[in-house]
Amino acid sequence: NAGVTQTPKFQVLKTGQSMTLQCAQDMNHEYMSWYRQDPGMGLRLIHYSVGAGITDQGEVPNGYNVSRSTTEDFPLRLLSAAPSQTSVYFCASSRRSTGATDTQYFGPGTRLTVL
Amino acid sequence: GNSVTQMEGPVTLSEEAFLTINCTYTATGYPSLFWYVQYPGEGLQLLLKATKADDKGSNKGFEATYRKETTSFHLEKGSVQVSDSAVYFCALRPDTDKLIFGTGTRLQVFP
Repeated sequence: NAGVTQTPKFQVLKTGQSMTLQCAQDMNHEYMSWYRQDPGMGLRLIHYSVGAGITDQGEVPNGYNVSRSTTEDFPLRLLSAAPSQTSVYFCASSRRSTGATDTQYFGPGTRLTVL
Repeated sequence: GNSVTQMEGPVTLSEEAFLTINCTYTATGYPSLFWYVQYPGEGLQLLLKATKADDKGSNKGFEATYRKETTSFHLEKGSVQVSDSAVYFCALRPDTDKLIFGTGTRLQVFP
């Protein structure tokens, strides 16, 4: 198993550009989520999905879109990049959508800089 | 609401010193509690977890006990190594699906 994979590892954008961060998992997990990590703020939930075709907003969804057409993939789209979106982005997955005991597995992260 | 509070870092220790990183939480229902570790340049890895009151999670010499009476889940290790230098995140997962993180505590261990 590759676990949770993310591409790209690094990205530099100009203000106003759009891009998609890719996330895939090969563990047949129901639940997938996107977080951003900023200094002094820990990880904050952007969007999450409890299964194919179902997505919902997290704590900081503005400026981001997601879709979940397959169990494996959960891409994150930046519609019009802003400097405030400079951050490290992590994708995570877990087996069940309603499992308080389930472990979330994290990808290696994408470091995004918006100029 | 649900939240996690961790001690601010950095925590700076000499090799073989005793480590405690404090974590307290506020939650409704019966959450599970987790410690994740992030080594430099890497993603988060699960270090240990506890799913009910009085459970003790342990891994790689680290331990944490789920204390419902004090709403705490402090991380401890008897003798730290340089290789333990990382950022440690306390997290809770309530009965819903979301995982809620603390702000992280950076540990620096010097030889």
